[in-house]
Amino acid sequence: DGGITQSPKYLFRKEGQNVTLSCEQNLNHDAMYWYRQDPGQGLRLIYYSQIVNDFQKGDIAEGYSVSREKKESFPLTVTSAQKNPTAFYLCASSPARGPKNIQYFGAGTRLSVL
Amino acid sequence: GEDVEQSLFLSVREGDSSVINCTYTDSSSTYLYWYKQEPGAGLQLLTYIFSNMDMKQDQRLTVLLNKKDKHLSLRIADTQTGDSAIYFCAESTLGGATNKLIFGTGTLLAVQP
Repeated sequence: DGGITQSPKYLFRKEGQNVTLSCEQNLNHDAMYWYRQDPGQGLRLIYYSQIVNDFQKGDIAEGYSVSREKKESFPLTVTSAQKNPTAFYLCASSPARGPKNIQYFGAGTRLSVL
Repeated sequence: GEDVEQSLFLSVREGDSSVINCTYTDSSSTYLYWYKQEPGAGLQLLTYIFSNMDMKQDQRLTVLLNKKDKHLSLRIADTQTGDSAIYFCAESTLGGATNKLIFGTGTLLAVQP
């Protein structure tokens, strides 16, 4: 089955710890995205990547880092610099550039602070 | 900048029609989308409309677009309890060499049996 797989489903972070959220897609999509979802705030874009080995900051990139070494994979690291990391994180991908930017989403990772 | 607004909550009875509204500010939006999010899950694309259309129908779903007022709506006919979810509208904007989706805050639809 084609799709986007996020893991883990639940993740706990200790004070001062970096954690990495995994996102893998087998849809052969060029573009991948990371969003943060907080209650009542909709989705906010953290980072996105249009092509392998290239990525751009979104609206709330501070305290996060990403890499795009393979087309299929776009991991997100939540660093200790992110002071309020508790949220639901969603990864998405889309086939190509262009105005018809249909994004397909994974099931999400819920991150909590211990 | 771009902004997409939705009301936060809508409650309807099973069998009634639901209408979820959305307003956006970017007049250069080319495509507008409706996504559905069930509890604890990712977003699922329901439908989309190109900005030169004013209506699109897909089974129980009807999308209406008023470009002049920058208003988008999603009508769900014969609403079922399985339609209970958060509904997001989103616009596709062209920003330089890339394009992004700007999402609204989401509308929680509660369907009463």
